[in-house]
Amino acid sequence: TQLLEQSPQFLSIQEGENLTVYCNSSSVFSSLQWYRQEPGEGPVLLVTVVTGGEVKKLKRLTFQFGDARKDSSLHITAAQPGDTGLYLCAVAPRARWGKLQFGAGTQVVVTP
Amino acid sequence: GAVVSQHPSWVICKSGTSVKIECRSLDFQATTMFWYRQFPKQSLMLMATSNEGSKATYEQGVEKDKFLINHASLTLSTLTVTSAHPEDSSFYICSARDSAYYEQYFGPGTRLTVT
Repeated sequence: TQLLEQSPQFLSIQEGENLTVYCNSSSVFSSLQWYRQEPGEGPVLLVTVVTGGEVKKLKRLTFQFGDARKDSSLHITAAQPGDTGLYLCAVAPRARWGKLQFGAGTQVVVTP
Repeated sequence: GAVVSQHPSWVICKSGTSVKIECRSLDFQATTMFWYRQFPKQSLMLMATSNEGSKATYEQGVEKDKFLINHASLTLSTLTVTSAHPEDSSFYICSARDSAYYEQYFGPGTRLTVT
């Protein structure tokens, strides 16, 4: 079983629409990261959330860490074609000595 | 700052040959680097952890004799795919952990195609 469950797997929307991506687990984490990866490139860190209930904003992106620190969401407001990419959540469990483990990813496509 | 480079960005090789991929931290020191493999439409899977001056540790199911890792300096790790086969074709990505701040930064990846 996957440590991190991301949903949906794929999302196709029109420019200007809003979208939400979810990252869930039955485990508790001290922190969680969100990355965006574009085709043919490495992932780029968007944000790290560390406190239960924390909300962080990055321009049109809003990240939330669940109160119990088991889940997180990424909300994009008024999506633009430049938001197209693979969105990955990741954690570094203590049991894995800080090695990052990624969710399966959500492929987001924003069409003009 | 915090730039990680990979070389080459893409490589095509014939089955049975070996290919070396370099991962460099350009503006910071990294005692630990990580190597990932990513198949199309899938997430990143950790292959191994490379520690400067010591042997790499491999994830379960990864053949250490096939994927040779060397971390000879604080800014360079190399992954050599030995006796490559078509099933080794993949996108290989490295990341480097900043020794001072513990942040992890990813390289741009290397596309390997084995014919």
